[in-house]
Amino acid sequence: NAGVTQTPKFQVLKTGQSMTLQCAQDMNHNSMYWYRQDPGMGLRLIYYSASEGTTDKGEVPNGYNVSRLNKREFSLRLESAAPSQTSVYFCASSEGGTPQPQHFGDGTRLSIL
Amino acid sequence: AQSVTQLDSQVPVFEEAPVELRCNYSSSVSVYLFWYVQYPNQGLQLLLKYLSGSTLVKGINGFEAEFNKSQTSFHLRKPSVHISDTTEYFCAVKGTGGFKTIFGAGTRLFVKA
Repeated sequence: NAGVTQTPKFQVLKTGQSMTLQCAQDMNHNSMYWYRQDPGMGLRLIYYSASEGTTDKGEVPNGYNVSRLNKREFSLRLESAAPSQTSVYFCASSEGGTPQPQHFGDGTRLSIL
Repeated sequence: AQSVTQLDSQVPVFEEAPVELRCNYSSSVSVYLFWYVQYPNQGLQLLLKYLSGSTLVKGINGFEAEFNKSQTSFHLRKPSVHISDTTEYFCAVKGTGGFKTIFGAGTRLFVKA
């Protein structure tokens, strides 16, 4: 009964390093999402994938890239990390285009020094 | 496009007292409305949702919310709070047929003994 699984749970990077955050869901959902959460700002959408094979920019896409590897997996890549990207990153999935709510992973806490 | 405003960033309340967390939204299309709860070091979990029909919806843990179309509000209420309700709550809106959910900035409920 895993739901949405994110790896890693914690990561510390140096400015300029790259890394990929992994997300997998086992609910057969068509749509997947990446958010960042910063204090007092709620969740801001970085990228989303409405269905396998498609990706679209959200509210704050700069500095990030995504890959929808298959229906289950949606990864987020930071090519050259910056301190402004220090945040908690959440992956979510849902049946997009329907009334169904999103299901969230437990987050990746990323610090960039 | 949609937007969500949670009118209070923090709400302190005494244990066993009633509480209301306020949420207003704007949208040019019909919407679905959600309240999520986030416990420390976890992702968001669905509390309740309004899709259509009765404007009073009941969720988990004794919470309920009322949809008011004329005031574009979706306030969350609980008649008697417990210490364990201390955490953060997020209001969210999704346009019907859309793929993106817009989240408010969050309200931190603090229940005092």
